[in-house]
Amino acid sequence: DAGVTQSPTHLIKTRGQQVTLRCSPISGHKSVSWYQQVLGQGPQFIFQYYEKEERGRGNFPDRFSARQFPNYSSELNVNALLLGDSALYLCASRRTGTDVGYTFGSGTRLTVV
Amino acid sequence: QQQVKQSPQSLIVQKGGIPIINCAYENTAFDYFPWYQQFPGKGPALLIAIRPDVSEKKEGRFTISFNKSAKQFSLHIMDSQPGDSATYFCAAEIQGAQKLVFGQGTRLTINP
Repeated sequence: DAGVTQSPTHLIKTRGQQVTLRCSPISGHKSVSWYQQVLGQGPQFIFQYYEKEERGRGNFPDRFSARQFPNYSSELNVNALLLGDSALYLCASRRTGTDVGYTFGSGTRLTVV
Repeated sequence: QQQVKQSPQSLIVQKGGIPIINCAYENTAFDYFPWYQQFPGKGPALLIAIRPDVSEKKEGRFTISFNKSAKQFSLHIMDSQPGDSATYFCAAEIQGAQKLVFGQGTRLTINP
């Protein structure tokens, strides 16, 4: 069974540009969450989606947006990139209605220059 | 308060020793407390988790101790091995919130 897959693995963007990150959850997992992990810190919650609807949003500016598709995959978009957006962006999926924890992907390393 | 405070920031232990990592929280609505292990270049991987209705849980060499009255929980790694060298994160979640709040992480080094 494939785990949570994220693409691309690495990305370099210039300040002011826009970026789209992609995530495919584990088969059967309908809940997808996004986290930002700045170097040396714990992951910070950005969004949670379930059944294509946003169910939770963390303390991030409106430059961050996301969506979930009918096949439960998800995209995270960040507009008007700032140097401070440089981080590892993690996607996690979970089978809802169970006590099983989140499974994280390996992340997308975004560098803004 | 949505914070989870983790200590120590870094820890060095000899092989076979028992590293202990501690976490504290304020929000009594938290009801799920997982620990994650992260290797460089990888995402966090779930190690073990506990709910507040039990005081201890063991899975293999990993043990969580939970003190509900003190609002603290800790991870113990028995018979530690160099392969356990990684960054460990505690986290907490409010049931139904579908949102993990992570601690700051502990960089653990197990020397041979």
